[in-house]
Amino acid sequence: DTEVTQTPKHLVMGMTNKKSLKCEQHMGHRAMYWYKQKAKKPPELMFVYSYEKLSINESVPSRFSPECPNSSLLNLHLHALQPEDSALYLCASSQEGGNQPQHFGDGTRLSIL
Amino acid sequence: RKEVEQDPGPFNVPEGATVAFNCTYSNSASQSFFWYRQDCRKEPKLLMSVYSSGNEDGRFTAQLNRASQYISLLIRDSKLSDSATYLCVVMDGGFKTIFGAGTRLFVKA
Repeated sequence: DTEVTQTPKHLVMGMTNKKSLKCEQHMGHRAMYWYKQKAKKPPELMFVYSYEKLSINESVPSRFSPECPNSSLLNLHLHALQPEDSALYLCASSQEGGNQPQHFGDGTRLSIL
Repeated sequence: RKEVEQDPGPFNVPEGATVAFNCTYSNSASQSFFWYRQDCRKEPKLLMSVYSSGNEDGRFTAQLNRASQYISLLIRDSKLSDSATYLCVVMDGGFKTIFGAGTRLFVKA
């Protein structure tokens, strides 16, 4: 069982909908990450939070809006997505300080109609 | 040139074989290196960290060569359950994380 929990497991939404992906970890980690993974491609880093502050935004379109309410929770708010945004969205966490191995949740499989 | 490059394979090997993967990286300032495995439609799982001194975990051995900017993974006595995609990961000293494209391994009975 993974120690990083993501909900929902699957999400289908229209291009005008607003939805949120959620991630929770109870390992005491202070860094949390969002990745996007398309089929047969590696994960691509989107955002990193360290101590609940946004540390990295890899030039992600504003239709993706991350939020870190506390050290255990990470959200990704979605609005006006495009069909090409359909992918597996992975959350990960690691100990603070950078350069640490990351532990992944099992992802949310997102389909945009 | 990609920042992290891996041979995509696939590698098709019989059970019991020894197989090795390499991964090259372009940023000489990279500081941390890892191998992950990913099964089809699952999340990546940490296999091992990689150090210049080399490290071993059972049938798996990882090595870092800073001078030539590559990392390697050796799997001995391959099992059917080793079939997966193996991803190398490079970090820059902070949180920036780059995955290689992954190498697919099929172990056959």
